[in-house]
Amino acid sequence: KAGVTQTPRYLIKTRGQQVTLSCSPISGHRSVSWYQQTPGQGLQFLFEYFSETQRNKGNFPGRFSGRQFSNSRSEMNVSTLELGDSALYLCASKPVGGQLSDTQYFGPGTRLTVL
Amino acid sequence: AQTVTQSQPEMSVQEAETVTLSCTYDTSESNYYLFWYKQPPSRQMILVIRQEAYKQQNATENRFSVNFQKAAKSFSLKISDSQLGDTAMYFCASNNAGNMLTFGGGTRLMVKP
Repeated sequence: KAGVTQTPRYLIKTRGQQVTLSCSPISGHRSVSWYQQTPGQGLQFLFEYFSETQRNKGNFPGRFSGRQFSNSRSEMNVSTLELGDSALYLCASKPVGGQLSDTQYFGPGTRLTVL
Repeated sequence: AQTVTQSQPEMSVQEAETVTLSCTYDTSESNYYLFWYKQPPSRQMILVIRQEAYKQQNATENRFSVNFQKAAKSFSLKISDSQLGDTAMYFCASNNAGNMLTFGGGTRLMVKP
């Protein structure tokens, strides 16, 4: 099976702009989670989507939002970008049910730079 | 709330030797899972090994094994016969019933030839 894919891999934006990142999960995986990775804060959970519904949300401002489509692909959006939003954004998918339903598999990430 | 702590920011090991990475965690969950992920310079997060907390038997995956001490809330990773390709950041993580992963701060492992 193909792994988790994320597009674009690299992105440069300026403060105040908005950005949309995309994630395609492993075939058959219906849960998609997003994480932000920065040198200062480490890896932090943003949100999880399952069956087109947000199931969990981390402690991030409302500028961070997401959605999931019927084919399980997910997008996250960040509006009014700030310098502190520069980070590696990781998407992870996991199966629902089965022996490995607790295990998340990560994509290669999108490196966002805000100037 | 869950917390995961990795007390060793950096470690190094000679090729072919054995190294152990430490991790402690705190959780109020009764049912949880623990993971070690590897992040090489390519930044792709790769699952190394997983442990189900209700299983007493320590998980093993080829050269990788864990020492899971539930009462002490300790979950260390042992890498045997270290290879140059093992050079990476290693993250310990736990999940809860809400499926959210909580990560430690990471340990940077350098394998020297």
